[in-house]
Amino acid sequence: DVKVTQSSRYLVKRTGEKVFLECVQDMDHENMFWYRQDPGLGLRLIYFSYDVKMKEKGDIPEGYSVSREKKERFSLILESASTNQTSMYLCASSFRGPNEQFFGPGTRLTVL
Amino acid sequence: QKEVEQDPGPLSVPEGAIVSLNCTYSNSAFQYFMWYRQYSRKGPELLMYTYSSGNKEDGRFTAQVDKSSKYISLFIRDSQPSDSATYLCAFPNQGGKLIFGQGTELSVKP
Repeated sequence: DVKVTQSSRYLVKRTGEKVFLECVQDMDHENMFWYRQDPGLGLRLIYFSYDVKMKEKGDIPEGYSVSREKKERFSLILESASTNQTSMYLCASSFRGPNEQFFGPGTRLTVL
Repeated sequence: QKEVEQDPGPLSVPEGAIVSLNCTYSNSAFQYFMWYRQYSRKGPELLMYTYSSGNKEDGRFTAQVDKSSKYISLFIRDSQPSDSATYLCAFPNQGGKLIFGQGTELSVKP
């Protein structure tokens, strides 16, 4: 079974803190994605990566950065957390091409 | 115009009802069509995947695609309380990005 794991299920941070969200997949997938999900707005793509050390902006990259040093690991970084970044963050991975994305369980981040 | 339109609901039905969930899309380049199911406080998981017009059946679930109308549907027969979830339509491009609908929240009452 494909497994996508995320470092935390729930996280509470203070405004201005640097926040790291980690995602690991065990299926040798080339593609990895970070989304945020908010009521009424659905799933929105923040960043994605097609390969190690590659990254592409999604629809809402402002305030975020990413790192992919190893194929199995994709990190989302909030350089200076703000209250409007309170959300559910979902990581996903897939093989190259129009294939199924496998999602992690999500991290619910609250920024106070 | 949004690339994908999906009624967010919520939709509430009695157990045993037939459920119809729908999405319209504007991009005629979409060639692949997916439905994801997301239970509360979980990540989405793929439910159905099709790439042609017509119907695809899997147990109580049927995915229907009408490319000429740019309209896809998911039907659930004999709905169960365990079907209560949010259902998202999704359209992959060749690069592997998914364009998601907003999701429809379904509640099946016993």
